[in-house]
Amino acid sequence: AQSVTQPDIHITVSEGASLELRCNYSYGATPYLFWYVQSPGQGLQLLLKYFSGDTLVQGIKGFEAEFKRSQSSFNLRKPSVHWSDAAEYFCAVGESGGYNKLIFGAGTRLAVHP
Amino acid sequence: DAGVTQSPTHLIKTRGQQVTLRCSPKSGHDTVSWYQQALGQEPQFIFQYYEEEERQRGNFPDRFSGHQFPNYSSELNVNALLLGDSALYLCASSLSSGGLGTEAFFGQGTRLTVV
Repeated sequence: AQSVTQPDIHITVSEGASLELRCNYSYGATPYLFWYVQSPGQGLQLLLKYFSGDTLVQGIKGFEAEFKRSQSSFNLRKPSVHWSDAAEYFCAVGESGGYNKLIFGAGTRLAVHP
Repeated sequence: DAGVTQSPTHLIKTRGQQVTLRCSPKSGHDTVSWYQQALGQEPQFIFQYYEEEERQRGNFPDRFSGHQFPNYSSELNVNALLLGDSALYLCASSLSSGGLGTEAFFGQGTRLTVV
């Protein structure tokens, strides 16, 4: 069965610093991978997605992610964090067998210090 | 485009009661999925509706049921509420013809509190 692991529960960075959030997946074939962001009490907003092709994916709000099949990873990066980036970040994989059911990791809560 | 809209935004119910949550998908979308997100946890898939039929179901008891209407909107019903049903319920819509990995758009959720 597919699964997603986000090793870091909480991360704190200073505003302007670079950011990398880790995501590891377990999947037999080429995965469909997503990063979502959630502000407190709100829904989920898609940052970026990977299906195939170029392993470096650009998303909204200056985020990018790199798919590394050899490491089963899909880490999210941003070169310079803004205070408004403070939120919960979820990595997800689309389940095989169709229908696009999403399986989420446990999430990483990002705090940004001024 | 209003995106995915859910109602109500907040709801308080008593144990044993029944609740209905509503979702209108993004314009043009024909598939609706429901997720439960307990406080501090990740979203968990409840079920998905397409062509007014439940197409896939997660590991949730039969107390959780749903419906999809001809206009693609959807309802989530939960019977015999338990304290553990307290959560943020998220609706996500997508386009079936988009194929595997098509993007799901999420609503803002309904916060259900069971007391």
